[in-house]
Amino acid sequence: NAGVMQNPRHLVRRRGQEARLRCSPMKGHSHVYWYRQLPEEGLKFMVYLQKENIIDESGMPKERFSAEFPKEGPSILRIQQVVRGDSAAYFCASSPGGPQGTEAFFGQGTRLTVV
Amino acid sequence: GENVEQHPSTLSVQEGDSAVIKCTYSDSASNYFPWYKQELGKRPQLIIDIRSNVGEKKDQRIAVTLNKTAKHFSLHITETQPEDSAVYFCAANSYTGGFKTIFGAGTRLFVKA
Repeated sequence: NAGVMQNPRHLVRRRGQEARLRCSPMKGHSHVYWYRQLPEEGLKFMVYLQKENIIDESGMPKERFSAEFPKEGPSILRIQQVVRGDSAAYFCASSPGGPQGTEAFFGQGTRLTVV
Repeated sequence: GENVEQHPSTLSVQEGDSAVIKCTYSDSASNYFPWYKQELGKRPQLIIDIRSNVGEKKDQRIAVTLNKTAKHFSLHITETQPEDSAVYFCAANSYTGGFKTIFGAGTRLFVKA
């Protein structure tokens, strides 16, 4: 089991460009979560998805940010027209879901730098 | 909305001493409380977890306690070692059509040799 795979590991974008971050959950996991971590700060919840559904996007900025988890393929976090303040580490986590909470397994993260 | 508070933000101990990190949560429906350790530049990794039907759990030098009534939970590390130096996050799950995990702000632990 390869674990949660994120790519790219590092991404540099100029202001105004688009950033696409990809996450493949662990085999058998149907729940995906995205978190943002600013330097020296905590893990801020952004969005929770299941296949083809957004369950909770209460942590997503209202503009420029979107996420999807299609029936086939990885989950994508998309940031349009990036600004310097978007520079951060973006972590994806996955879990099998179920009637009780379970461990969320994290990917290595994508470190986005906006220049 | 749901919230997890964590204290202290920074903790410095001498090697061999104990370290205690405390958290509170706001969602009374939370039933799962994991603790993650994050080393510099790496991903968060689970070190121990506790469910709401249990008051205490221990794994070698690490223990967690949970007080559901007060909505408090704590991490205790005994006989600390330099390799315990890292950022520790407490978390609580929250139901929102499925369970998501909400994290505290983190505690940066320094263990001095």
